[in-house]
Amino acid sequence: NAGVTQTPKFRVLKTGQSMTLLCAQDMNHEYMYWYRQDPGMGLRLIHYSVGEGTTAKGEVPDGYNVSRLKKQNFLLGLESAAPSQTSVYFCASKAGSTYNEQFFGPGTRLTVL
Amino acid sequence: KNEVEQSPQNLTAQEGEFITINCSYSVGISALHWLQQHPGGGIVSLFMLSSGKKKHGRLIATINIQEKHSSLHITASHPRDSAVYICAAYSNYQLIWGAGTKLIIKP
Repeated sequence: NAGVTQTPKFRVLKTGQSMTLLCAQDMNHEYMYWYRQDPGMGLRLIHYSVGEGTTAKGEVPDGYNVSRLKKQNFLLGLESAAPSQTSVYFCASKAGSTYNEQFFGPGTRLTVL
Repeated sequence: KNEVEQSPQNLTAQEGEFITINCSYSVGISALHWLQQHPGGGIVSLFMLSSGKKKHGRLIATINIQEKHSSLHITASHPRDSAVYICAAYSNYQLIWGAGTKLIIKP
C-alpha cells in the first residue's frame, strides 16, 4: 500500500497563476483533509471531505477550492495564486467518523512569487 | 489563548535522557492524537488515546481527561528522535492542533 500520496512535491507559481494539487489514498478512507503549514506554525485546516462527492470548509478556506469526485482522490485548487499562499500543503485521510488517527501524505512545498 | 497548548516549544537534550513533552487543552475532548514531524517534513501518527496510557517501543503517551492534560515521554532518547512532536485534540469530531514541540537530541 502506498498510503497517502501527493502530487506534485514542489511547485513554484507566479502571482495570479492557477494550479491543482492532487491527493490520493489507497486505504479506502472516508475522510480526507487538506492542511497548510506555514514556517514555525501549526497545521491549519483548509477544506475537508467526509465522503465521495462531499466537501466542507475548514479554518482557512479562502482562495482555495476542492473536489472529491472519487473516494480515493481529493483535489485542492488555487484559482489565482497569491504570495500569502506560499506554504507547505499536507493531505491526510482517516477511516470512519469517530476518533481515528489521521494518515498524512509527504507534503507539497508551494512557492508563489 | 490557543485551545491546545504544548510545552516546551523547544527542547534540547543529550542522548540517553528521559524526555517529556506536555499538551494541555481547554476544550472538552474525546481523544488526543500525538504525531511526529520529521526534519524532512513528513508527519507520522504516533498515538491516539482517550484514557490511560499507551506504549510503543521507547515512546509512552498518557492522558488525564479530568485534568485536560497529556504527556508524551521518550525513554533512552536518541538523535534519531529529533523531530517536531505535535498533539491534536478531537473536539466535536474536529482536530484542534497544537503548535508543536521541536526536540533536538545531541549525541
